[in-house]
Amino acid sequence: DADVTQTPRNRITKTGKRIMLECSQTKGHDRMYWYRQDPGLGLRLIYYSFDVKDINKGEISDGYSVSRQAQAKFSLSLESAIPNQTALYFCATSDTGQGNTGELFFGEGSRLTVL
Amino acid sequence: TQLLEQSPQFLSIQEGENLTVYCNSSSVFSSLQWYRQEPGEGPVLLVTVVTGGEVKKLKRLTFQFGDARKDSSLHITAAQPGDTGLYLCAGAEGTYKYIFGTGTRLKVLA
Repeated sequence: DADVTQTPRNRITKTGKRIMLECSQTKGHDRMYWYRQDPGLGLRLIYYSFDVKDINKGEISDGYSVSRQAQAKFSLSLESAIPNQTALYFCATSDTGQGNTGELFFGEGSRLTVL
Repeated sequence: TQLLEQSPQFLSIQEGENLTVYCNSSSVFSSLQWYRQEPGEGPVLLVTVVTGGEVKKLKRLTFQFGDARKDSSLHITAAQPGDTGLYLCAGAEGTYKYIFGTGTRLKVLA
């Protein structure tokens, strides 16, 4: 089983609908991130959380919100989806343990299409 | 927000050729990582460089961090079809907040 699991893997929705993407991890990492990927733009940071009580905006947080329900769970919500939010979304985790390299561990991605 | 530009954006080469991918910024990073991503999967870490001027080798891949810690390069020797993928650099802003580059899509033809 994957260490970082994203659901759903694919979703097609309509403009104005509320969408939630969920991420759960079994790695025991305290830091979790949401990125979106668009062709030619690489990965852009939406939100990140360094622990359950810590939520931070990334480069492109407008139109998104997040919830860190537990150390292992970090969800991303689009309250009213719009077509330019069509993208591939990735959840990632990292560890702050002693000696770690700051490596990000990614899920397999959630492809969202907003019509 | 710091920006990371990668070049080239696309690269298609024959098996056995050498190539270099560049990652440039006007800002200084505390460390820089390189990831490779294959279709349908998330990026996977290849290397982390921390010290200005640092060179790391991973089999046929050589990574260099610029002296001023603003840029980095990835050189692949004798590319193979298995090297095909999207290569992403990521610079650290502060501690463990990584900003990704625009990506280089590499295709190695057999």
